[in-house]
Amino acid sequence: DTAVSQTPKYLVTQMGNDKSIKCEQNLGHDTMYWYKQDSKKFLKIMFSYNNKELIINETVPNRFSPKSPDKAHLNLHINSLELGDSAVYFCASSYLAGGDTQYFGPGTRLTVL
Amino acid sequence: KQEVTQIPAALSVPEGENLVLNCSFTDSAIYNLQWFRQDPGKGLTSLLLIQSSQREQTSGRLNASLDKSSGRSTLYIAASQPGDSATYLCAVAHSNSGYALNFGKGTSLLVTP
Repeated sequence: DTAVSQTPKYLVTQMGNDKSIKCEQNLGHDTMYWYKQDSKKFLKIMFSYNNKELIINETVPNRFSPKSPDKAHLNLHINSLELGDSAVYFCASSYLAGGDTQYFGPGTRLTVL
Repeated sequence: KQEVTQIPAALSVPEGENLVLNCSFTDSAIYNLQWFRQDPGKGLTSLLLIQSSQREQTSGRLNASLDKSSGRSTLYIAASQPGDSATYLCAVAHSNSGYALNFGKGTSLLVTP
């Protein structure tokens, strides 16, 4: 009965590879987010989707491409991985209207070698 | 651009003490403010959400206050326990940015037995 789930939990890969992280929420929320937590533990918004439509894109390199096949899923595909992409990526979801509580997934720790 | 600051960056207290964590933000036109807890290697757990029209919220031993005009929030933890040891994050949302959260860098709390 996990509310927001992410796969994989850990991802270790070589520079230049392409990888994807998947996120699913079973809360019936209409909005999903991707956040990045860097090595200094600072969390920053990357993307937000509302009902499968992109509503926030925070000047993230276009090597990062989110995809939302339906409102319960938001995947993150990263092309040509760089060392600086190493971080923990968190997915979150909420109801957009009223700026409701955001619920976070457990995170995916990406390490680029 | 919204900046969120949390003071102190780290705090160590003996069990049983009451404590206050501080959060300040530069743009007072927030929609809501949320306090989270993050345990090492884990995701974020929402503790309290305060809408901009509210002054405080309480949950168990936790009380969060909001003074929007001065750009400040405090999280009060009563009768601290070792299990409260974690990083506490403050985040604010704006309606004109899809309610994405702007996070502070957190306060790392250690409660010693």
